[in-house]
Parts: sequence; C-alpha cells; structure tokens
Amino acid sequence: QQQVKQSPQSLIVQKGGISIINCAYENTAFDYFPWYQQFPGKGPALLIAIRPDVSEKKEGRFTISFNKSAKQFSLHIMDSQPGDSATYFCAATQNEKLTFGTGTRLTIIP
Amino acid sequence: NAGVMQNPRHLVRRRGQEARLRCSPMKGHSHVYWYRQLPEEGLKFMVYLQKENIIDESGMPKERFSAEFPKEGPSILRIQQVVRGDSAAYFCASSADRNSPLHFGNGTRLTVT
Repeated sequence: QQQVKQSPQSLIVQKGGISIINCAYENTAFDYFPWYQQFPGKGPALLIAIRPDVSEKKEGRFTISFNKSAKQFSLHIMDSQPGDSATYFCAATQNEKLTFGTGTRLTIIP
Repeated sequence: NAGVMQNPRHLVRRRGQEARLRCSPMKGHSHVYWYRQLPEEGLKFMVYLQKENIIDESGMPKERFSAEFPKEGPSILRIQQVVRGDSAAYFCASSADRNSPLHFGNGTRLTVT
C-alpha cells in the first residue's frame, strides 16, 4: 500500500530551468511534510519541510507548494544547477514515523 | 560535531548467517529510527526506539529481525539467518525529540550471498 505517491520517477532539466516534483497522499492524519535529497552512497538529507497549515514555504531556490484540499504537495527547484542532480524523496509524518515516496531521480544537464 | 554514524558501511553475509548493524546517534539525540531501502525504492520504516525502549516496531518483520538501543552504546539492528531478500541498504536516523527533524546516517549496505 503506497501511502505517498511521487512523480515523476525520473526528470531531466536543463541548467537554469525549473525542476518540479509532485507528491500526493491519502492519510489526512499526516502532519508534517519534509523533502529529502539523497546523493549516491549517502543517506537522505533534509532539504525543506512544511506543515499543513501553510500553503507555501520558500528557502533559497527551493519552494514547497502545499494543497491541503487536494492532498498534494510539490517541490520546485528554481535555477536548477548540476549540483542539484540527486534523488529527491517526499515524505509525510504521523506519530514520528516517516512514510517516504518512491523517489525522483533528477538530472540537470548543461 | 559528528553526525549519525553507522557501521559497517558494507556487510556481506552468506545465507543463514547473522548480520549486526550498528548506529551511533548524533550527540544529544535519544530517539533512533531504522529504515530499509531497496534498490530504486524509497525508504521503508522499520522501528523507532528511545533509550532502552522500543516505541514502534510496526515495520519490522516478525521473525529474524530485532533492534535494541541500550542505555550505553550504539543502537543495534540484528538480522538472524539472513536470506537473499534481506539484501538492502539499512539507514539509521536520530532526532533530539519527537518534534525535531530526523538526521540520517550514510547507511549499511547488506549483501547476502
């Protein structure tokens, strides 16, 4: 049972472009929605997070948009750079337990 | 200011052997979580522990798997009689309290031959 659905599975974006990754959830008890960035051979690192009482959060080039009624949230990476090439996971938390999406492999090309 | 430390980084075991994975949380963190990641998949929750207590083990297989977080020393994830399907990356995370973000280690990659 996939509680957090993530798309696309892979994404190629030109340098300077906008990368957009989408997630949807079913469980309305989720109360915290983080995004993680993972490089090969490394553990996931927290990138940015949002709570459901906020519709948007921006940190530098990274923005989360949250639509509570649609039960959807997305990550936008502005001015994408080659160093952003990594796998991105959305997640949702209930009772301190993180449920992860299946990941998006992002590749930024020159 | 060391992060979450996991060892070994790579572990190879034959079918039927035991695997022991260790996790030292960040300094000051008393909450530990174990996750498993299969290739091309997200991380799946296994167990959540505080010092000397298992809080939530709903993601742990009922047989062969156990976890502990003793008063002194690292948290241990133990897999007895490993099978090929146990091959995966196992990640540990820690947090200072229930409302703080999780910090992950770099994982232990278990290969069962």
